[in-house]
Amino acid sequence: KQEVTQIPAALSVPEGENLVLNCSFTDSAIYNLQWFRQDPGKGLTSLLLIQSSQREQTSGRLNASLDKSSGRSTLYIAASQPGDSATYLCAVPLDTGRRALTFGSGTRLQVQP
Amino acid sequence: GAVVSQHPSWVICKSGTSVKIECRSLDFQATTMFWYRQFPKQSLMLMATSNEGSKATYEQGVEKDKFLINHASLTLSTLTVTSAHPEDSSFYICSVPDRPYNEQFFGPGTRLTVL
Repeated sequence: KQEVTQIPAALSVPEGENLVLNCSFTDSAIYNLQWFRQDPGKGLTSLLLIQSSQREQTSGRLNASLDKSSGRSTLYIAASQPGDSATYLCAVPLDTGRRALTFGSGTRLQVQP
Repeated sequence: GAVVSQHPSWVICKSGTSVKIECRSLDFQATTMFWYRQFPKQSLMLMATSNEGSKATYEQGVEKDKFLINHASLTLSTLTVTSAHPEDSSFYICSVPDRPYNEQFFGPGTRLTVL
C-alpha cells in the first residue's frame, strides 16, 4: 500500500526566503505526482503535476522535482511571500493502475511579513 | 484544467437526517469522479470512486449504504449521507481526473456539521 510522508509538518519563515518542502513515497511505481495548495477551509488548488518520465516541473516561483527511484519529491518556493501561507499537499496514485490519489499529511507554511 | 463546483459549500443538519452533496464538472465530461473526506487537522482520505452509468466503488471501511453515490451524467455526481450522525461531520470534497495525464482537479468542498 502506497504511503506518503511530508516533512516538515510546519514551517514558519520570514518573507523573501527560499524554501524546500519534502515528500517521500513508499512505492516508486507511480506514473505521476501532484503538488497541491490548500487554504484553511477551502478546496485544493493544483500547483504542479510531474509525470514519471519527468524530473522536474516549474511554474512561476515554484519548482517541483521528482526522483522516482528514491521515492522522493521536493517543492521549491523561491522568494516566499505572505500570500504563499497555506498547507501544501503532495499526492500520488493510490495503487498501480488506479487514478485516485493518496495524500501526505501536508506541510503548513506560514510566511511572516 | 477541469473546473469543478460543489453544492452546498456548507450544511448543518440534525442527527438522523439525510444530506445530499453535488459535485459538478463544469467544462469536462467526467466518466469518473472521486469523493474524499477530510477530518480536522488531517489529510484527505479517499471514500469512493464514482463511475458514470455504473455502481460506485467504495474504499474499505466506508459504508456504501450510508454514503450513497449517484453518477447520473458525465457532469454530475452526488453523495448522499444517509441518517447522518455527529461523527459524519467532516469536509467532503470531490475531484475530477483530467486527461490525458490524470491531473486531478478538486471542487471547493462541502463542510458538513451534524448536530
